[in-house]
Amino acid sequence: EAQVTQNPRYLITVTGKKLTVTCSQNMNHEYMSWYRQDPGLGLRQIYYSMNVEVTDKGDVPEGYKVSRKEKRNFPLILESPSPNQTSLYFCASSLGLAPHEQYFGPGTRLTVT
Amino acid sequence: RKEVEQDPGPFNVPEGATVAFNCTYSNSASQSFFWYRQDCRKEPKLLMSVYSSGNEDGRFTAQLNRASQYISLLIRDSKLSDSATYLCVVNWVGYALNFGKGTSLLVTP
Repeated sequence: EAQVTQNPRYLITVTGKKLTVTCSQNMNHEYMSWYRQDPGLGLRQIYYSMNVEVTDKGDVPEGYKVSRKEKRNFPLILESPSPNQTSLYFCASSLGLAPHEQYFGPGTRLTVT
Repeated sequence: RKEVEQDPGPFNVPEGATVAFNCTYSNSASQSFFWYRQDCRKEPKLLMSVYSSGNEDGRFTAQLNRASQYISLLIRDSKLSDSATYLCVVNWVGYALNFGKGTSLLVTP
């Protein structure tokens, strides 16, 4: 089944404790992206990647890191999480070369206390 | 900052009604347009792409007006299952998608 998976789905952590949210897709898509969704603010792009070893900042990259060492994986790293990073995070992927349909993962609900 | 604007609603309509949403975008160089649907606490899913000539998919019709910089979504014969948030999405550079904040639709019996 073609899908985007994210782990964990739910995470409660404390300020400053490094964490990684994994994202994997099995569709051989070139393009992958991370978004956060907050009430009243909608979906905002954090980082995106157009292919292996090619990443770029989205609208709200501060406090986040990403890597793209393999085509299928695009982890999101929070080196020192803060309460303002409490949010619902979505990973997405699409076939490259044009903004085709993006397939979203099920979301990760992160709470930083 | 380039914007994608939507009326947040909620739009409360009875089953069988026709409802229309509009979305405006600020960048005249925008290239691609989409409507996504998002159910509560779930991931967004593509509903339909929006083409310059307008396009229809069953009960759903999407229109693009480049001169006025807006896109629209028309839903005919609303079903209870159409209740969701509808996200207007615009691409204006590279591969990045810019999402509106969404319009909430509630279809009631």
